[in-house]
Amino acid sequence: GDSVTQTEGQVTVSESKSLIINCTYSTTSIAYPNLFWYVRYPGEGLQLLLKVITAGQKGSSRGFEATYNKETTSFHLQKASVQESDSAVYYCALGDLYGGSNYKLTFGKGTLLTVTP
Amino acid sequence: GALVYQYPRRTICKSGTSMRMECQAVGFQATSVAWYRQSPQKTFELIALSTVNSAIKYEQNFTQEKFPISHPNLSFSSMTVLNAYLEDRGLYLCGVPGLGNTGQLYFGEGSKLTVL
Repeated sequence: GDSVTQTEGQVTVSESKSLIINCTYSTTSIAYPNLFWYVRYPGEGLQLLLKVITAGQKGSSRGFEATYNKETTSFHLQKASVQESDSAVYYCALGDLYGGSNYKLTFGKGTLLTVTP
Repeated sequence: GALVYQYPRRTICKSGTSMRMECQAVGFQATSVAWYRQSPQKTFELIALSTVNSAIKYEQNFTQEKFPISHPNLSFSSMTVLNAYLEDRGLYLCGVPGLGNTGQLYFGEGSKLTVL
């Protein structure tokens, strides 16, 4: 089966400090996985933060970056300097873009990021 | 831009009753709609994929008898949770694939179900 692991359920970081949220994935059915980070801000819906379709590539958005590492099966989310407005729940997700099931995402459990002033 | 609306945002229902939730796409066509559920302390899991003019595909552990879905046109879908019990509580999301084969889903804000 497919699975996504986010080891930290909660992370607290001081404003302007760096951030890393870990994500690893596992798949037995998807030949070419594509990887996503979704974010849910308080009171809002789930929205795409960034995506990477090809192994070895890096995605970036709003100062966040994540590199698709096929060797370590990881897709860690990083930001050099966080802001209070980044406080949200972040979900790593695995998809099957070329397998005809581009609607089916396997999500991690989410990481609640709290940025303190 | 592409937007997805869901309603109601929150529902409280008595055990054994049913709850219907709706999903509307604005600005783009919802040829397919994926329904997800996030149970307490768990992540999002796919319930079913609904495609206009095609059979609805349910994932393992989810059935049409429990979660009937209607998808009558390219902008609207609804799902009902029949005979809701404690294990059905959670946040229900509808996701609509974006244009082109990008793998991205546009999600609504979710319908939160509380069962008493």
